Parts: sequence; C-alpha cells; structure tokens
Amino acid sequence: EVQLVESGGGLVQPGGSLRLSCAVSGFTFRSYEMNWVRQAPGKGLEWISYISSRGINMYYADSVKDRFTISRDNAEDSMYLHMNSLRGEDTALYYCTRGRFSDYWGQGTLVTVSS
Amino acid sequence: EIVLTQSPATLSLSPGETATLSCRASQSVSIYLAWYQQKPGQAPRLLIYDASYRATGIPARFSGSGSGTDFTLTISSLESDDFAVYYCHHRSNWPPWTFGQGTKVEIK
Repeated sequence: EVQLVESGGGLVQPGGSLRLSCAVSGFTFRSYEMNWVRQAPGKGLEWISYISSRGINMYYADSVKDRFTISRDNAEDSMYLHMNSLRGEDTALYYCTRGRFSDYWGQGTLVTVSS
Repeated sequence: EIVLTQSPATLSLSPGETATLSCRASQSVSIYLAWYQQKPGQAPRLLIYDASYRATGIPARFSGSGSGTDFTLTISSLESDDFAVYYCHHRSNWPPWTFGQGTKVEIK
C-alpha cells in the first residue's frame, strides 16, 4: 500500500524556520518525482515545490522561492522541505504528493506562523 | 504564470443529475491537465490526468475532456459521495504548476 506521511509542522514565529519531512512506503521512491502542495485554512490548493526523481531538478512557486528548499534522500525514502523566513501567509496544511500528477497524497502537516 | 479559472464557483444539483465543471487556462497547457476531488477534512484525490484519463479506481461516471485552454469535468448521475470541491491543475512543461480556485458541488 502506498503511504506518504508528513511530519514536522507546528507553531513558529514570523521569521522563523521549520523543516518538514515526508516519509514514504509501498513504492519505489527513487523512481518518482515528488511535490509539496499547501492549503491555507479554508482556501484552495497551491503547488509550491517539485523535485525530480534523482533530486537534480527542483522548482518553486514564486511565493516561496528563495525561502524554501526542497530535498530528498532516496536511501531513506524521504523528502524534505526546509522553510526559512516564514510569514503569516505561509500558514497552511502542507501535503507531499507523488508523481507528475500527484496520484497519491499524504494527510498533511499543519504549519502555523504566528507570534 | 498560467492562470486556471474554474466555473461555476458553486454548482447546486440533486443526486442523479449530471455535473459539468469548466476549467479555462490563460494559455495553452496542451492536454496536461488534471482534476482532483476534495472532501472536508481529507486530502485531495486524483480523478483525471492528461485531460481525459481516469486515475486508478475512479468510477466511469467521471470523465474529462478538452485540450489547449478549455477543459471539462463531467460527473454523470451524481451520487451522494460526489458532493465535494473539485480542482483543476496543470502540469505543462514549465512551472509554476497552478491550481484552479475550485468548484464546489453541493446538494440542491
């Protein structure tokens, strides 16, 4: 069974940092590109970052570029999102998703940016 | 950035009726468009990819069509489980890969 489990969310002050993790199982992680997608409370979905299967290509939405860094460890079947200079508008549920068309999603980890 | 505009914002229908949801792109995305269903408190679920291909396990009452800038998700004979919010999402060659703002299908 394919599983994606996010962790690392929490309450952080504006300007702070956080690292999210996505642990996967049930498929050959190193064969798949991955994404992070977020959803602010009561709002729609926002794609924020992508990493290719071998971690060579990374892309970001303008809203997080230069503040967030995506990475992965294929030996550990895990993906990460390093978030710096956090702002109130980064408050959201953060999902990791599998593949170009996000055929599998985790349940999300909540990030709250507030003083 | 390609903007996806979904219409209508809300669709009020009765079980058994057909839902027709629209997604319009600000520039061509070829066939690289997907549709997702999201219910309250749940992660989104992939329904359709490459404009018209149903994802694994998706019932045949869900169908997608379109190419270029105009796409449609059709849900035939609505069931109670289908009342949810639906999003389109493009995966054309270059990011950012945006989502539409969503269409809520509610029970009339």
